[in-house]
Amino acid sequence: EAGVTQFPSHSVIEKGQTVTLRCDPISGHDNLYWYRRVMGKEIKFLLHFVKESKQDESGMPNNRFLAERTGGTYSTLKVQPAELEDSGVYFCASSHGLTNEKLFFGSGTQLSVL
Amino acid sequence: GQQVMQIPQYQHVQEGEDFTTYCNSSTTLSNIQWYKQRPGGHPVFLIQLVKSGEVKKQKRLTFQFGEAKKNSSLHITATQTTDVGTYFCAANDYKLSFGAGTTVTVRA
Repeated sequence: EAGVTQFPSHSVIEKGQTVTLRCDPISGHDNLYWYRRVMGKEIKFLLHFVKESKQDESGMPNNRFLAERTGGTYSTLKVQPAELEDSGVYFCASSHGLTNEKLFFGSGTQLSVL
Repeated sequence: GQQVMQIPQYQHVQEGEDFTTYCNSSTTLSNIQWYKQRPGGHPVFLIQLVKSGEVKKQKRLTFQFGEAKKNSSLHITATQTTDVGTYFCAANDYKLSFGAGTTVTVRA
């Protein structure tokens, strides 16, 4: 069974540019989560999809962040325009059915905004 | 969401020694999960604790959930170099809220 895959693994952009991160969850997993970790700090919740619906987006920092999950399969997270404080590792995670059963994490996207 | 504090933030351990990392919450938790992230890797689920006072073991790792369900601990005995990484606890309400993790390094 393929795990959660994320693309790209690394992205270096300049302040003001746009970046789109992609996550392919494990097939059949209805729950998809986006998290972000800034070095040395907690893994911070961004949002949660159940299938194609946003269940909880309370962790999204501001309206520069837009997440979509069209068709309830893969998800994208777009940052536009990127700011310096957006740097960090963006993790995607998925789980099968019950909310908050164990999460399967992707390898993350290391975003560096210069 | 829940706020969880993990201590210590860093743990430098001599190979073969034991250590404990702690996870504390100001509110009662429905359950708690533990994850391990190896250097350069991603968080991997270790265990979930649900019951008050629950103790679970995985080889050299012992996980405990406090009686009041406000704290949890992870104790590792006879630390090995394979134990390096960051250990996160995650409080479970309607979403998982992660602590900042305990980063473990091991000196041979």
